Amino acid sequence: ELKVEQNPLFLSMQEGKNYTIYCNYSTTSDRLYWYRQDPGKSLESLFVLLSNGAVKQEGRLMASLDTKARLSTLHITAAVHDLSATYFCAVAPRWVRAGGSYIPTFGRGTSLIVHP
Amino acid sequence: DTAVSQTPKYLVTQMGNDKSIKCEQNLGHDTMYWYKQDSKKFLKIMFSYNNKELIINETVPNRFSPKSPDKAHLNLHINSLELGDSAVYFCASSHTGTNTGELFFGEGSRLTVL
Repeated sequence: ELKVEQNPLFLSMQEGKNYTIYCNYSTTSDRLYWYRQDPGKSLESLFVLLSNGAVKQEGRLMASLDTKARLSTLHITAAVHDLSATYFCAVAPRWVRAGGSYIPTFGRGTSLIVHP
Repeated sequence: DTAVSQTPKYLVTQMGNDKSIKCEQNLGHDTMYWYKQDSKKFLKIMFSYNNKELIINETVPNRFSPKSPDKAHLNLHINSLELGDSAVYFCASSHTGTNTGELFFGEGSRLTVL
């Protein structure tokens, strides 16, 4: 059974600081996703990482993927309050592909609070 | 022009009742999903349909029955509701042609069983 583990699960950080969220998974996968969820809202796609060594950046967030280590990181640079949300990683390993579709398995999410 | 829309957004009902949640996507995607998010925010896949065919049916009680009348719609009917069914149910869609598997989520339907 595929396991996707995120840490930390809770993160309280000050504005202006840097931090990294880690996502480990148990089965070979060539697809990894990062989503953001605001309280009471839907999930918004942040990054889609499709190959080993992939790195993507959007504003203060940067995501990377190491498929050999089965590890993805989401790095936050100079955090601001607007980044407060829950961040999920999700993995869709090749063998779960069915009908040409991928079925992402989600981590438990990291609840991030950025305070002044 | 919401991409993935769910109705209703909120549902409060008594134990033992039967209820349905509807989902529609206008993205032209061929795969749709139901995920359940519990009170601890854990997201778990329940069902997935590709071109109206069921491709994933996780260990979900038989009381839950999905139905996909066409590629753009995926409904979820729940019989004999139990307290443990209280959760937020998210519909999502993706397109196999893009080869990314990226999911687009609806706003969620918050179900409260009393």
